[in-house]
Parts: sequence; structure tokens; C-alpha cells
Amino acid sequence: AQKVTQAQTEISVVEKEDVTLDCVYETRDTTYYLFWYKQPPSGELVFLIRRNSFDEQNEISGRYSWNFQKSTSSFNFTITASQVVDSAVYFCALSDTGGGNKLTFGTGTQLKVEL
Amino acid sequence: ETGVTQTPRHLVMGMTNKKSLKCEQHLGHNAMYWYKQSAKKPLELMFVYSLEERVENNSVPSRFSPECPNSSHLFLHLHTLQPEDSALYLCASSQDPVAGFYNEQFFGPGTRLTVL
Repeated sequence: AQKVTQAQTEISVVEKEDVTLDCVYETRDTTYYLFWYKQPPSGELVFLIRRNSFDEQNEISGRYSWNFQKSTSSFNFTITASQVVDSAVYFCALSDTGGGNKLTFGTGTQLKVEL
Repeated sequence: ETGVTQTPRHLVMGMTNKKSLKCEQHLGHNAMYWYKQSAKKPLELMFVYSLEERVENNSVPSRFSPECPNSSHLFLHLHTLQPEDSALYLCASSQDPVAGFYNEQFFGPGTRLTVL
């Protein structure tokens, strides 16, 4: 069965600190996709990144970077020089290519960035 | 309007009421989804429509009834709900996966439902 674990329920940092959000997944699929979403207080989930299982290159987008390690089934997300606007709940999700359109979400990590 | 819109944003209803949630996507997608988000729980997939046909019903109680009249609109009809149905209901859309290539889902802002 698919499973996504985000062990960090809540993280608090001071602005400008770097912070890493952990995501560990379980799947029997050989082809799968991993996602990160951001949910600000307004409620809407905002898509951040999609990564397929064959591409283990790390990715950087501005202050955001993602570290995909297939050997440890992890897809961690780092925010560099955090800002107050980064405060949100962040969800990691795993696709179920065998089942069509399903996404399995983790329980999310609440990130609070304070001045 | 752009992206995925949902109305109403907030809804309070009694257990005997009937109401409907509406979702509209302006992205040209052909798959739409309803999710339920309760406090301290992962997002729960409720229904999936692909090309206007329901392809997934994730053991959702019959008091929730989805409707997809076309690829841009999705409704969730509610009747005789229970207080434990209070949650944030999120709609999403995507391009239907083709040949194993999975597309990201784009979400609306949600409807915050309170059942009294």
C-alpha cells in the first residue's frame, strides 16, 4: 500500500534560517511521482514540484530545493533563508500510477517563520 | 476567473439540510477531484471524475453525491450530513494521466463546511 510519512508535525524557525521538511514514502510501484504542495492559511493547496522516480537529480528553484534519494525513499524539501510568507502547511504526496489519478498525501508539516 | 474556483467558501448547515458545493476549473483539464480535509488527518480523496465519468469512489457515504455535468464543473451534493462531516472540502483538477505520465493537480481554495 502507498504511504507517505511526514514525521515533523510542526516546525518553528526565525526568519532567514534554513529549514528542511522531511518526507519518506513507501510504494511497490517502480514508476511513481512525488509532489510537494504548500497550503497557506487561505486554504488553497499550491503546487510546488513534481518529480518522477527515474529522475534523481536534485532541483533548485530560487530559495527552494528538493533532495530526492531513492535509496532511502525520501524526498526532502529545503527552504533557504526562510521568510514569514513561507509560513504554511506543506504536504508531500505520492502518485499511484497503477490506480490512475490517485494521490496519497502525508499529514503535512506546519511551518511557522517568525521575525 | 483563473485556476480552480469553489463556491461557497464557507457553509453552515443543519443535519437535515440539503446543500451543494460547486467547483469550476478554467485550466482546460479533463479530470476533477473532491477531497476532504479534516483537522490532523491527511487529505482524503473522495471522488475522481475523468472525462466526465466517475472513476473513483473512495468508500464515501451516500449522503455525499457528486455530479460532473461537463469537464469544467463539479458539484458535491450534500444531504443529511453528520457533525463529523465538518471539514474543508477541496476540489482539484488535472490533465488525465496518459501512458504513465502523471500530471499535478491544481486545487481550489476549498469550502469550509460546518454541520450543526
